[in-house]
Amino acid sequence: DQQVKQNSPSLSVQEGRISILNCDYTNSMFDYFLWYKKYPAEGPTFLISISSIKDKNEDGRFTVFLNKSAKHLSLHIVPSQPGDSAVYFCAAYNFNKFYFGSGTKLNVKP
Amino acid sequence: EAQVTQNPRYLITVTGKKLTVTCSQNMNHEYMSWYRQDPGLGLRQIYYSMNVEVTDKGDVPEGYKVSRKEKRNFPLILESPSPNQTSLYFCASSRAAGQGFYEQYFGPGTRLTVT
Repeated sequence: DQQVKQNSPSLSVQEGRISILNCDYTNSMFDYFLWYKKYPAEGPTFLISISSIKDKNEDGRFTVFLNKSAKHLSLHIVPSQPGDSAVYFCAAYNFNKFYFGSGTKLNVKP
Repeated sequence: EAQVTQNPRYLITVTGKKLTVTCSQNMNHEYMSWYRQDPGLGLRQIYYSMNVEVTDKGDVPEGYKVSRKEKRNFPLILESPSPNQTSLYFCASSRAAGQGFYEQYFGPGTRLTVT
C-alpha cells in the first residue's frame, strides 16, 4: 500500500491564479518532505522541501504547507505561469528511503 | 556541468536476457538510488546506496541487483528480465540523505521494454 498519495491525477488552472497541489501520507515517522517537478522526457527536478518540524516553507512563488495532525502536505504556486505546466510529485523521507506519490499533472492555461 | 547520466536511454530486450543499466554522477554524492516509474504508481525506490560498498533494498527490489564499487557509479542489473519489469527507470543521487541533504538529482531516465 502506498504510504504517500496524491489523489488528484490532474489539475487545470488559469494563468495568474493560484495552483494548489495536495499530498497525503500515512507514516507519521516521515521526517522530511519534498516536491519535484517533471517535464516529459526528463528526470524529476527538485522544487521545494520542508522538515517535519516546520509547518511552512516559502521560496519565491512556491510555498509548501505541512499539517502533521492531518498527515497532509500541499504545494501552492502563486501566480501560476504556463511554464509551470508539468507533473508534480510529492516525496517523503524516512530512515534512508524515499517514498513518492503518483503525481499530479498541472496544466496552466494562458 | 553537474549531472547524473544513464545509459542506455532506450532499451528493448527479450525475457531472460541479462542487462545492465549504467548510472554515473559527477557531483561526488554519497547517496545514490534507483527508481521505476509506472502509470498510477509514481516513482518507487528499487535500491539505494549510502556510500561505496553500502547498498540496501528499497520498496520494490525483487528481480534487480545493484553494486557500488566506486562512488560515482551505481549500475542496475536485471539478471533475468521479465515483462513486468517494463518501465521507466531513473537513477538519482544526493550529497548525504539523512544528514540534512535530501534533495536528489535525477538522471534523464531509461525506458526499458521487455518482450
